[in-house]
Parts: sequence; C-alpha cells; structure tokens
Amino acid sequence: NAGVTQTPKFQVLKTGQSMTLQCAQDMNHNSMYWYRQDPGMGLRLIYYSASEGTTDKGEVPNGYNVSRLNKREFSLRLESAAPSQTSVYFCASRDRGGQPQHFGDGTRLSIL
Amino acid sequence: QQQVKQSPQSLIVQKGGIPIINCAYENTAFDYFPWYQQFPGKGPALLIAIRPDVSEKKEGRFTISFNKSAKQFSLHIMDSQPGDSATYFCAANYISGGYNKLIFGAGTRLAVHP
Repeated sequence: NAGVTQTPKFQVLKTGQSMTLQCAQDMNHNSMYWYRQDPGMGLRLIYYSASEGTTDKGEVPNGYNVSRLNKREFSLRLESAAPSQTSVYFCASRDRGGQPQHFGDGTRLSIL
Repeated sequence: QQQVKQSPQSLIVQKGGIPIINCAYENTAFDYFPWYQQFPGKGPALLIAIRPDVSEKKEGRFTISFNKSAKQFSLHIMDSQPGDSATYFCAANYISGGYNKLIFGAGTRLAVHP
C-alpha cells in the first residue's frame, strides 16, 4: 500500500521554465492538498481539492495552477518558475469523517 | 487570526529527558489539533491529535496537554530517545467553505543526544 506518491523527488529548473508536479493516492480519499514547506515557515497550503472535479485556492496560490485529474491524481503546475518558488512541495490526501491528512515524501524543487 | 505560533524553533535534550514543544493560537473556531513528526527526506506523519474538549491525551511516550482558556497546547515526549530526533509540527484544523483545512506551526527541530 503506497499511500501518497509524488513524482519527481528532485528537480532543478531555470527561471521561466514550466513544470508539473504529480501526486497520486491509492487510499480512495476524497480530498487532496498541495503544500509548500520553507525553513522556519512550516507548511503552507497552496491549493486543495475537496473532491473530484473541484479545486480551490489556499494560502499561497500565486504562480501555481492545479488539476484534479480524477479521484486518485492531483497535479501542481508552475507555468513560469521563479526563484521564490524554490521549496519542498508536499501532496496530502484525506478522507471524510475527521481523518488526518496523509502526506507524500515531497518533491524538492530548486529554481535557478 | 489563522495562525499557530510554535516554540521553540530548536531543542536539544539528552536521552531520557522530556522535551516540551509549545503552540498557541487565536482562532477559537479551530476544532482539532494534530501533531506531525517529520524525519529528513520524508513527509510529515501524524503523531497524535486532540480535540478542544479534552485537556490531555496520551499515546505511548507522547502526551498532548491542552489549555482551552489560554488557547495553548503542548507536546511532551517522555523518556526521549535518539530515534525521536525529528522536526515536529503542531497544526490546527478549521472549516472553510465546508471543507477541512490545516494551519501549521513553523516547526521545532528536536535533537536527542545519546
């Protein structure tokens, strides 16, 4: 049982390049989330998807877009990468009924 | 305010010591307070959680103390071990637009020395 799988694990981009981070969960969860983690700032919510076919902005959505492709997959796209988007990106999923969020192991993204 | 303030930023204890990590919040609408443990190169994993109608919860060596009137909660790790060395995040759940979201503290990096 893999849980939440993120690809790639590492990526280096040049400023202005585009990139899609992939996330898939095999727990049949309804809700999925994208966070970024920066030193001293905890995890900040970028976008979330409460259910298949719906997405909404979180705390720091600027510069990102998302797609909830189906119940399993939720992707995060950087259309024109900027150095300020250098971060570790985590995907999480959650079922209904007060269950906790389950996290993937992250994508470490550096933008030069 | 949608903020959770966590302290200290880092903590060093000897094996067997009791590290304490504190968090404070303002928003009384928060309804669930989880703690996550994160090892290097891994995602956060749920450690223990509490609801605001409970003052204390224990799971093994981990205890959450919750003070609703002071809007503060803390994590205590009894008989700490080197394997507990990790970053710990407190969080608070709220409902916005009918959906659950988490606000995280900034994290505490714990080192337990042998």
